[in-house]
Amino acid sequence: AQTVTQSQPEMSVQEAETVTLSCTYDTSESDYYLFWYKQPPSRQMILVIRQEAYKQQNATENRFSVNFQKAAKSFSLKISDSQLGDAAMYFCAYERDSNYQLIWGAGTKLIIKP
Amino acid sequence: EPEVTQTPSHQVTQMGQEVILRCVPISNHLYFYWYRQILGQKVEFLVSFYNNEISEKSEIFDDQFSVERPDGSNFTLKIRSTKLEDSAMYFCAISAAKGTGTEAFFGQGTRLTVV
Repeated sequence: AQTVTQSQPEMSVQEAETVTLSCTYDTSESDYYLFWYKQPPSRQMILVIRQEAYKQQNATENRFSVNFQKAAKSFSLKISDSQLGDAAMYFCAYERDSNYQLIWGAGTKLIIKP
Repeated sequence: EPEVTQTPSHQVTQMGQEVILRCVPISNHLYFYWYRQILGQKVEFLVSFYNNEISEKSEIFDDQFSVERPDGSNFTLKIRSTKLEDSAMYFCAISAAKGTGTEAFFGQGTRLTVV
């Protein structure tokens, strides 16, 4: 069975600095998708970034980028120029190709210090 | 504007009672999901729904739970005879396709408290 592990329950960073959130996963599949979702105090899960496992190039979305290491089954999220609005819970999630469900990590609470 | 709205935002119910959680998709996405998050634990998949039938369900989704889309728009999760351990945040999600890395849009959740 697939599992997703986020080993950092909480991280803090100074505003405008860079922070990296870790995620590892376990799967025997070769085709799958990985996601980072953000959950602000409003509670709604918001997609931050996604990565297709068959793509070697790391996904980027403005200040957000990932370091995808398929062999190591690692999928970290880097947030550059951190802003106060980035404060939230961040969840790493896995989706098997042609499968309906997301499998989630436990989440990392990100605190931004002004 | 959110793609999905959920009602109610918070529900308190007595143990043994039935609750219905509602999800209203704003757009015409075809795939529907329910997830739950017990306080301090991981988000867990419950069920997916497509073309008016369940596509996939987890072991959590037993006979106590049911889903339907009675009027073609609202998507509901019914929990019969609630138990204390059903207390959790319940999230509805929708997507345009299954798998393939398609973005799922989530509602803001319903916090269910069973007392």
